[in-house]
Formats: sequence, C-alpha cells, structure tokens
Amino acid sequence: GQNIDQPTEMTATEGAIVQINCTYQTSGFNGLFWYQQHAGEAPTFLSYNVLDGLEEKGRFSSFLSRSKGYSYLLLKELQMKDSASYLCAVPNSGNTPLVFGKGTRLSVIA
Amino acid sequence: DGGITQSPKYLFRKEGQNVTLSCEQNLNHDAMYWYRQDPGQGLRLIYYSQIVNDFQKGDIAEGYSVSREKKESFPLTVTSAQKNPTAFYLCASSRTTRGGTYNEQFFGPGTRLTVL
Repeated sequence: GQNIDQPTEMTATEGAIVQINCTYQTSGFNGLFWYQQHAGEAPTFLSYNVLDGLEEKGRFSSFLSRSKGYSYLLLKELQMKDSASYLCAVPNSGNTPLVFGKGTRLSVIA
Repeated sequence: DGGITQSPKYLFRKEGQNVTLSCEQNLNHDAMYWYRQDPGQGLRLIYYSQIVNDFQKGDIAEGYSVSREKKESFPLTVTSAQKNPTAFYLCASSRTTRGGTYNEQFFGPGTRLTVL
C-alpha cells in the first residue's frame, strides 16, 4: 500500500515563496501528482513528476527525489488566490487509481 | 466543451433513503472514479471503473454501489447501509494508464450530500 505524509496547514505572506513537502512510501513508483483544491471545489491538476529533479511551470515548481521518497511544491510570488489545499498523490500500484494525501491547507495573508 | 458534470451540486436526503449521484463525462475517457472527501481529510476512493461493464471496489466501498453501462456515465448509489453518508463526493475520469505511465485525473465539480 501507499503512505503519504504532508503538513496539515501552512501560512505565508503575499508575495513570498512557500514550499509544501510531501513524503511517500510505495512498493513501486509510477510518478507523483500535485493538485490544487479551493474550498468546496474540485481538485485541479498542477504537476506530474516521474523523474528526479525540478520541473518549473510559471510560478509553481515541483521537485521529486525518488531515492528519498520526497517531493515538494514550490509556489513563488504568492497571491491571495493561492489560498487553497494542495494534495499530493501517487498511484497505488500497476494500473490502479491515485492515493491522495490529506492535503496541506495554505493560507496566504497580506 | 469537454468535461465532467455532476448533479446535483447539493443534495439532501432523509436517513434510510438510497440516493444516486450522477456523473457524466464527454472526454472519451475509459477510466472513471468516485471519491469521498470529509472535512480536513484527503480523497478516499470508493469505486473505480477502467472499462465499460467493469468496476472495482476502492478503499471504502461498503454501503455504496455503482454501475458502468455506458462509457460516459458512472452513477454512484449511496445506500441506507452507509453509516455516515454526509460528505462531499467527487467523480473523476482519466485516460487508461498503460506501461506505468499515468494520466491526470479530471474532476467534476462535486456533490455535497447531507443526510438528515
């Protein structure tokens, strides 16, 4: 099975940079997803990492280290609209659905 | 516009009644999923289907049932056997994974079910 761990809550200031960590334990690795979810809404896809390293996509970047079972999501130039939950997810095994972490609730303050 | 629709957005039912949540997609995706989300919790998998006329139980299938008679549709029935059905229900779809490569899941807007 999978075990995914993320911090429950984080607070950061508008314009700053924040890093949201995710550690996972998995019997086989088939990539790691990050999703953003605003309160009461559906999750939306942010990134998918399969190989080690940093992938940048505008203000958001995602990093993966397979040997350490570790990923982080980096958000730059924070805006108030970035206040949301950020979900880390990995496939269970084979062709099975994603297993989600409990999410990190990020609050951006002025 | 392609996407996933869920209806209704809010649903109220009396305890002991079965209720069916709708999920339709026009993305031509083979795989569809149902998740449940409770306050402060992540998404927990109820059922999933990777092809028409086939589906598998997820982690919390007890008290729920599904059908997959059409590629576009994957309705979820919350039965009276589900002990704590009040939750936010999310439907998702994706292209089928092959060879260890995963495709992102697209989510519907969700249905918030309240059982009184």
